[in-house]
Amino acid sequence: KAGVTQTPRYLIKTRGQQVTLSCSPISGHRSVSWYQQTPGQGLQFLFEYFSETQRNKGNFPGRFSGRQFSNSRSEMNVSTLELGDSALYLCASSLHTDGELFFGEGSRLTVL
Amino acid sequence: KQEVTQIPAALSVPEGENLVLNCSFTDSAIYNLQWFRQDPGKGLTSLLLIQSSQREQTSGRLNASLDKSSGRSTLYIAASQPGDSATYLCAARSMDSSYKLIFGSGTRLLVRP
Repeated sequence: KAGVTQTPRYLIKTRGQQVTLSCSPISGHRSVSWYQQTPGQGLQFLFEYFSETQRNKGNFPGRFSGRQFSNSRSEMNVSTLELGDSALYLCASSLHTDGELFFGEGSRLTVL
Repeated sequence: KQEVTQIPAALSVPEGENLVLNCSFTDSAIYNLQWFRQDPGKGLTSLLLIQSSQREQTSGRLNASLDKSSGRSTLYIAASQPGDSATYLCAARSMDSSYKLIFGSGTRLLVRP
């Protein structure tokens, strides 16, 4: 069966712009979580959704937001981009909020 | 606050060697612990998931153990191959209401032919 799909895979933005990233979970998975990965900070938790409700949020500014749709697909948005937002953004899905996590290939964002 | 540590940060071994990767966590109240591998520029691939009630899990040449009392998990790789070269990350899921998954910083493994 298909894995976790993230789009776009690569994108370049300039400071001040906003970006929306999309994640389609494995069929039947209702939990979707997002992570930011940078060489200096490693993997940092952004937020987690289950059945369209945000269950957890990491320590990121309000410029980072997300949502989950009724078909479990999820989007995250970053507004007013800063250079430090350049990172690999990873989405993961699981059957339940405490289940085995399966990751997508990530969306690599470069902010110039 | 849960902290997950992986030592060493990097490891280089000759092909064929058996090796052990270490993962330590500060709070033993975990729901489960998961091991992943990550190839450069790629997402994470799930290797093994150990529930808190389990002591070990095996998949092919991989064996992961969990000792909650000492706050440790190990990933054993038998007969290493160059294709095993990757970064290996462990992640512990908190047993509190958040169920947050806390990641270690990973061990970068190089298996030399």
